[in-house]
Amino acid sequence: ETGVTQSPTHLIKTRGQQVTLRCSSQSGHNTVSWYQQALGQGPQFIFQYYREEENGRGNFPPRFSGLQFPNYSSELNVNALELDDSALYLCASSLPTGANYGYTFGSGTRLTVV
Amino acid sequence: GENVGLHLPTLSVQEGDNSIINCAYSNSASDYFIWYKQESGKGPQFIIDIRSNMDKRQGQRVTVLLNKTVKHLSLQIAATQPGDSAVYFCAENSGGYQKVTFGIGTKLQVIP
Repeated sequence: ETGVTQSPTHLIKTRGQQVTLRCSSQSGHNTVSWYQQALGQGPQFIFQYYREEENGRGNFPPRFSGLQFPNYSSELNVNALELDDSALYLCASSLPTGANYGYTFGSGTRLTVV
Repeated sequence: GENVGLHLPTLSVQEGDNSIINCAYSNSASDYFIWYKQESGKGPQFIIDIRSNMDKRQGQRVTVLLNKTVKHLSLQIAATQPGDSAVYFCAENSGGYQKVTFGIGTKLQVIP
């Protein structure tokens, strides 16, 4: 059973550019959630995808968008990058129901905007 | 590796002692609580969870206590080991879809 894998692990972008981050969910997990973690803070919920549709969204502007594919993998796209977008972006996969949600996190993508 | 512990409250514990990490939550509608451990360079790892209809739950070397009256959660780690050094986050969910809201985090340093 493979865990959650994210790519790339590190990325440097210039302000105003666009970026795409990728996530492969754990085997059997059909729900993917994305979080942003600024240095020294807890992860902040961006959005969640289930059955290829956005299933919930946190307090992030529309320039943060996502996709989920039939194989449950997911992408996070950020347009018009700002310096404050520099953070660790975490993907978590899970099952939609259960005694606990069984969130499994990847190791994240460290995005630096300069 | 990724340093997730900058500017966080820090708890220093002697190896072999018990650790208690505290967390206050604000949403009285939250009905599911989770503790995560995050090591440098890694994503958060599930430790233990508890539902709001319980006030205590035990795992292997860990115990979570929930006091809904004062909206307080604690994680107790027995016989703390060097491998327990990490940042610990409490998190809550208030039902519906699986949005999990994380707290600030506490950095646990184990002194050998």
